[in-house]
Amino acid sequence: DTEVTQTPKHLVMGMTNKKSLKCEQHMGHRAMYWYKQKAKKPPELMFVYSYEKLSINESVPSRFSPECPNSSLLNLHLHALQPEDSALYLCASSQTLAGSTDTQYFGPGTRLTVL
Amino acid sequence: GENVEQHPSTLSVQEGDSAVIKCTYSDSASNYFPWYKQELGKGPQLIIDIRSNVGEKKDQRIAVTLNKTAKHFSLHITETQPEDSAVYFCAASMANAGKSTFGDGTTLTVKP
Repeated sequence: DTEVTQTPKHLVMGMTNKKSLKCEQHMGHRAMYWYKQKAKKPPELMFVYSYEKLSINESVPSRFSPECPNSSLLNLHLHALQPEDSALYLCASSQTLAGSTDTQYFGPGTRLTVL
Repeated sequence: GENVEQHPSTLSVQEGDSAVIKCTYSDSASNYFPWYKQELGKGPQLIIDIRSNVGEKKDQRIAVTLNKTAKHFSLHITETQPEDSAVYFCAASMANAGKSTFGDGTTLTVKP
């Protein structure tokens, strides 16, 4: 099973709302990623977790707050977003960061619209 | 940091023809090169990858070639079918880096 699942599929929120995106994988992967993707652009890395610890933060604004409660789950908490944050948010996982295998498996994404 | 350039940005072929997408990278330390296919409304899916100790890899109608000296790698799709229509992204990364640098993508359209 090489599946990464994400919920919800679609999310519409106001600028004062608080919401969370969820990601789950059961491949035993110990590295998990959040990406943001705008239309017709490649995915942009936001955060990387390795063994449930934040390993990389690509200078993402604090209105995005990641959390890795356990090795299978990854959350992205959203608060006071701006309309320009509207995008497809992708989760991915890979076996580890330290091994020779860097193959990342992506989920289907959450389409976020900020009004 | 690493920079990946991908060409062409759009590619239209007739069903049954071959399609070639090329990428160049800047950091000679990069050693892993995946290719992703992204269909409308879906996340990117890995279709083939190659590591720097290999020059070519093939999987049915899809092949990837790597020229480390010139720092470029290419995706070859033979006998294209309408279901191959999608956006294709190349990427380059280094082991242990945790980060991949993506190309800007190629929109492939296969006309029946």
